[in-house]
Amino acid sequence: AQSVAQPEDQVNVAEGNPLTVKCTYSVSGNPYLFWYVQYPNRGLQFLLKYITGDNLVKGSYGFEAEFNKSQTSFHLKKPSALVSDSALYFCAVRDSSGGYNKLIFGAGTRLAVHP
Amino acid sequence: DAGVTQSPTHLIKTRGQQVTLRCSPKSGHDTVSWYQQALGQGPQFIFQYYEEEERQRGNFPDRFSGHQFPNYSSELNVNALLLGDSALYLCASSRQVPEQYFGPGTRLTVT
Repeated sequence: AQSVAQPEDQVNVAEGNPLTVKCTYSVSGNPYLFWYVQYPNRGLQFLLKYITGDNLVKGSYGFEAEFNKSQTSFHLKKPSALVSDSALYFCAVRDSSGGYNKLIFGAGTRLAVHP
Repeated sequence: DAGVTQSPTHLIKTRGQQVTLRCSPKSGHDTVSWYQQALGQGPQFIFQYYEEEERQRGNFPDRFSGHQFPNYSSELNVNALLLGDSALYLCASSRQVPEQYFGPGTRLTVT
């Protein structure tokens, strides 16, 4: 079965420093991977996806993610964190079993950026 | 371009009651998926609708049912509510792309 793991419940970083939010996955076949962000009392906003091609994927709001097949990881990164980046981040993988397209989410990582 | 909309925003129900949640997909999208997000957890897939048919279902009991209308909007119905059904219910839409776009959710509280 497809699954994702986010090993950190919370990540703390100072404003202006680089940030990394970790994700590892387990899939059969080629992975379709996603990152979403959730602000308080809001739905999920799509940040970026990896389907195929370049291992470094660029997304919204200056975020990027690095796909590493050998380590089965898809870590989210940003070179310089902003206080406004503080939110809940979810990694997800597409489960296409049955021929259709549903998302399997990790438990989420809370990012706290301190001034 | 309107994104995914959901109504109502919040809802409080009593155990045993029934509830209907509504979703309008993003313009141009024809596939609607529903997810349940319990407090402190990631979203869990409930089911997906396409061409007015349920085409995939997650591990949720039959108390959870849905419908898709010709204009692609969708409803999620939950019967015989339990305390454990309290959660944020998210609707997501897509069209021929892997990523899904989410609405703001409906917060359901069962007392």
